[in-house]
Amino acid sequence: AQSVAQPEDQVNVAEGNPLTVKCTYSVSGNPYLFWYVQYPNRGLQFLLKYITGDNLVKGSYGFEAEFNKSQTSFHLKKPSALVSDSALYFCAVRDIDSGAGSYQLTFGKGTKLSVIP
Amino acid sequence: EPEVTQTPSHQVTQMGQEVILRCVPISNHLYFYWYRQILGQKVEFLVSFYNNEISEKSEIFDDQFSVERPDGSNFTLKIRSTKLEDSAMYFCASSESAGGSYEQYFGPGTRLTVT
Repeated sequence: AQSVAQPEDQVNVAEGNPLTVKCTYSVSGNPYLFWYVQYPNRGLQFLLKYITGDNLVKGSYGFEAEFNKSQTSFHLKKPSALVSDSALYFCAVRDIDSGAGSYQLTFGKGTKLSVIP
Repeated sequence: EPEVTQTPSHQVTQMGQEVILRCVPISNHLYFYWYRQILGQKVEFLVSFYNNEISEKSEIFDDQFSVERPDGSNFTLKIRSTKLEDSAMYFCASSESAGGSYEQYFGPGTRLTVT
C-alpha cells in the first residue's frame, strides 16, 4: 500500500521569504513523486515530479523539490515566495513496483499556503 | 495550452437519481482517470481507463459507478443511484501514455451535491 502525509494543514510565509511545504511518503517499492497545486475553482495543476536521477528536481513557477530516500520525504521549496503562490498544494505518490496497469496516484490531504504581502 | 475540461461545474441531485459527469481529456492522451475529493478529505482514486476498458479501480468504485468513452473525445462517469455520501468534488484526469512516470493532467472538477 502507498500513502502520503502532509503534516501541515496551513503554511504562512511572508512575501520574499523562502517557503517549504512538507511531504513524506510510504511505498513498499520505489516511488514516483509528484506535486500539484490547486488555485480556487481550478483543477489540480502539475508542478513537478521525481522519477529517477538527481534528487533535486525543478518545476514550474520557480518551485523545486528534494527527494530524500532515507527520510522518505519530498518537500516542496521556493527561494522567494510570491503572493500569487497562495494556493492549495498536494503531494502525490505512485509505487513503481505496484504492478503493470496500476497508475493511480495516492494524494496527501493538501497544504494551504498563504503568502502574506 | 491544452487542458482537461469538465461539465457541469456543479451538479445538484436528489438521492437515488442517476448522474452523469462529463470530461473531455487532452486530445492526444490515452489514459483517463476519475478521482474524487470529499470536502476536507484527501483526493481519492476511483478508476483508470485505457483502450476502452477499465484498467484499475478502487474499492470505492462499486457497481453503482460506471465509466464510458462514448466517442473520440468525451469520457463520462455515471453514478446510477446517488447516495448522500457521494457528495464530493469529482476530478477527471488524463495522461499521455502508459507508465506511472507520466504526470496526470486534471480538470477543474465537478462539485456533486446529493440532497
